[in-house]
Amino acid sequence: QKEVEQDPGPLSVPEGAIVSLNCTYSNSAFQYFMWYRQYSRKGPELLMYTYSSGNKEDGRFTAQVDKSSKYISLFIRDSQPSDSATYLCAGGDTDKLIFGTGTRLQVFP
Amino acid sequence: SQTIHQWPATLVQPVGSPLSLECTVEGTSNPNLYWYRQAAGRGLQLLFYSVGIGQISSEVPQNLSASRPQDRQFILSSKKLLLSDSGFYLCAWGRQQRYTEAFFGQGTRLTVV
Repeated sequence: QKEVEQDPGPLSVPEGAIVSLNCTYSNSAFQYFMWYRQYSRKGPELLMYTYSSGNKEDGRFTAQVDKSSKYISLFIRDSQPSDSATYLCAGGDTDKLIFGTGTRLQVFP
Repeated sequence: SQTIHQWPATLVQPVGSPLSLECTVEGTSNPNLYWYRQAAGRGLQLLFYSVGIGQISSEVPQNLSASRPQDRQFILSSKKLLLSDSGFYLCAWGRQQRYTEAFFGQGTRLTVV
């Protein structure tokens, strides 16, 4: 079993839709969680960082972590074509991060 | 501000040839450094990480090695490339503390032919 599981998609939504991206993880030692956005042939860029359980909001993006169910979510409100990318979730304990496979999102006008 | 440089951007190498990918970080000291590989459908796989000069932890036993000769320099090497070494290699850095974010370079796309 992979430590972080993520549906690869692709997920295709119309502009303006609310997007929900999800991951599950198996390692109970994970204390912090992140979402990265990766455009084609580029390095991932950090979107959201969350320590332990709870919600975090930044503009159109909301990250949720439920440690009791080992579930990580990213919500994108009012999605834009520029949000089209691959979204990677990650969990970590102390020094290193373990990533999911990424979900490819396509937002069409 | 901190920046991370990784080169080359693309590389085509024959099977059996050596490999050296270099990564440097500017604007910070004592960073954690990481090498990841991204293959289609497999996500980001952590290969090596380093918390200091000469300190390398290997996550996946394979045909690759890493070295950290200077505080902000991280090198990924192979003596003889295999076809299965093809992929997108990403260097990243993090602050020298627990629960740190990783900040990525732009990656090297390696094709072994």
